[in-house]
Amino acid sequence: DAGVIQSPRHEVTEMGQEVTLRCKPISGHNSLFWYRQTMMRGLELLIYFNNNVPIDDSGMPEDRFSAKMPNASFSTLKIQPSEPRDSAVYFCASSLDGGARETQYFGPGTRLLVL
Amino acid sequence: SQQGEEDPQALSIQEGENATMNCSYKTSINNLQWYRQNSGRGLVHLILIRSNEREKHSGRLRVTLDTSKKSSSLLITASRAADTASYFCATNSGGSNYKLTFGKGTLLTVNP
Repeated sequence: DAGVIQSPRHEVTEMGQEVTLRCKPISGHNSLFWYRQTMMRGLELLIYFNNNVPIDDSGMPEDRFSAKMPNASFSTLKIQPSEPRDSAVYFCASSLDGGARETQYFGPGTRLLVL
Repeated sequence: SQQGEEDPQALSIQEGENATMNCSYKTSINNLQWYRQNSGRGLVHLILIRSNEREKHSGRLRVTLDTSKKSSSLLITASRAADTASYFCATNSGGSNYKLTFGKGTLLTVNP
């Protein structure tokens, strides 16, 4: 299995630009998580999907952030417009059924730098 | 909000020594998990311990849980240079059956 796939691995953009991060979960997993990792705040859950439906988006910072999961094999996290404080590593993770007893499998992350 | 807090923030040891990392948390938990993150990589699940368990083993890893003290420890025995990584505890608590709250991690350096 290829594991969770994220693209791009690195993204450098200028303030105000739109950024789209992509994730392909492990085949057969029906739960998908987007996290953000910074030195200051550590690893934070942004949004959780189960069976392609957003279940918990309480961690999404503000309206500039949006996430979609059009099908079981693809999800996007979009930031529009981007700001320097959005600079972070964004991880996508998937699990078999979303329960906290399930192991979450993390992708390699997208390192975002907003200038 | 932060639930787990790892201690120490950084730990440097020699190969072959044991490494102990601690995690304290604030509210009652359903389970606690430990993850490893190598530099520039995603997190890898190591072990899960339920609130009614006190100790679990997996290879060179030993995890203990003391719910009365709201703390957990991760022991890595006979450390290797390849164990160099950041280690995070993550807690699941309350009515949520999916949400994990991560600490900020302990950076372990194992010197050859």
